[in-house]
Amino acid sequence: GAVVSQHPSWVICKSGTSVKIECRSLDFQATTMFWYRQFPKQSLMLMATSNEGSKATYEQGVEKDKFLINHASLTLSTLTVTSAHPEDSSFYICSARAPGGGRNNEQFFGPGTRLTVL
Amino acid sequence: QQQVKQSPQSLIVQKGGISIINCAYENTAFDYFPWYQQFPGKGPALLIAIRPDVSEKKEGRFTISFNKSAKQFSLHIMDSQPGDSATYFCAASLYSGAGSYQLTFGKGTKLSVIP
Repeated sequence: GAVVSQHPSWVICKSGTSVKIECRSLDFQATTMFWYRQFPKQSLMLMATSNEGSKATYEQGVEKDKFLINHASLTLSTLTVTSAHPEDSSFYICSARAPGGGRNNEQFFGPGTRLTVL
Repeated sequence: QQQVKQSPQSLIVQKGGISIINCAYENTAFDYFPWYQQFPGKGPALLIAIRPDVSEKKEGRFTISFNKSAKQFSLHIMDSQPGDSATYFCAASLYSGAGSYQLTFGKGTKLSVIP
């Protein structure tokens, strides 16, 4: 199946710093990528939908100036958490829509990035 | 408003038994229903999926049963194994316009299969 990678797998940073997380589709081109946030023992919450070459669409309640998303190519999307604070600590997961998915929204998920803000 | 309700929250099954997880949805516009398996510290992996024009789909030990009139669907894991111990999420897909689809996830079920 299609493979999606994330880097880094975990990161610890000081409060006030910015952190960039990369999401790559390794063996297919993804015109649409999604960013999710998952708190411990909870479900995945969609943060934003990222389309290559255009601005991301953010879900209600997600601050676009805090969570900057760039989808510069068909295989790479980045999420930058700006001026991170301890409440931003979470598990961030990206996914990419399968090529030729048609009416099926089959998404392949990355392994996730654990962010801890001290 | 939670659009996909999943139960139970946790489930303990003996090895060789059948694990059953249920989901219910409200929005009849959903048109694709996948199940994901997630191990601790990992991203979700697609397990099996179904479209609403089919009442059942089976892949190996995993079966989805779909009841369109009741707006419910369930995952059955036959001959459950300790390696199946994970968190399972049901989801529903909705066309959100401009060629884009979105997944709405249930809250998850933590399955523990005991020897």
